[in-house]
Amino acid sequence: NAGVTQTPKFRILKIGQSMTLQCTQDMNHNYMYWYRQDPGMGLKLIYYSVGAGITDKGEVPNGYNVSRSTTEDFPLRLELAAPSQTSVYFCASRLGGTDEKLFFGSGTQLSVL
Amino acid sequence: DQQVKQNSPSLSVQEGRISILNCDYTNSMFDYFLWYKKYPAEGPTFLISISSIKDKNEDGRFTVFLNKSAKHLSLHIVPSQPGDSAVYFCAASRLGGTASKLTFGTGTRLQVTL
Repeated sequence: NAGVTQTPKFRILKIGQSMTLQCTQDMNHNYMYWYRQDPGMGLKLIYYSVGAGITDKGEVPNGYNVSRSTTEDFPLRLELAAPSQTSVYFCASRLGGTDEKLFFGSGTQLSVL
Repeated sequence: DQQVKQNSPSLSVQEGRISILNCDYTNSMFDYFLWYKKYPAEGPTFLISISSIKDKNEDGRFTVFLNKSAKHLSLHIVPSQPGDSAVYFCAASRLGGTASKLTFGTGTRLQVTL
């Protein structure tokens, strides 16, 4: 019963590098989300998807891109990494409809130096 | 613009006593509220929720109270146990929105001491 799986768990990037944070869920959930959490702050929504082929911006989308080619996968792409993107990233999913419960992955700790 | 606020960054409670975690919100359109618990190096996990048509929801040791007129909710944990030591996030959403995006508070770190 894997739930939401994120890889990698840790990563250090140099300024200007790019990378993809992987997220996959095996619960057949329609909705998927990417959040970031900065120290002492709540989770901020980066991007979300309501189904395969459909994505939309959240509160803090600048510097990121996403795609949703399948129900299971929702990768987050960082282009030209900046120190401001140092954060913990969480992927989440939910079934949809009136079920509001989000299921989270264990997070990716990213440092941009 | 912090629409969901948890004004106490930390709380320390003795084992067996009641823990009360508070959350305030400013957006009157929010109609569904959730509490998440987070251990270090793990993702948040769902704890309990309440919709705006209720003023109380109970699940075992956990009870959430909602005061709509005050735009305030609280999570009560009775009795508190050492395993409850974690960061607790309050979250709010509008049911039936396009994707029902959750807005999170900044969290309260609860420490339950022996």
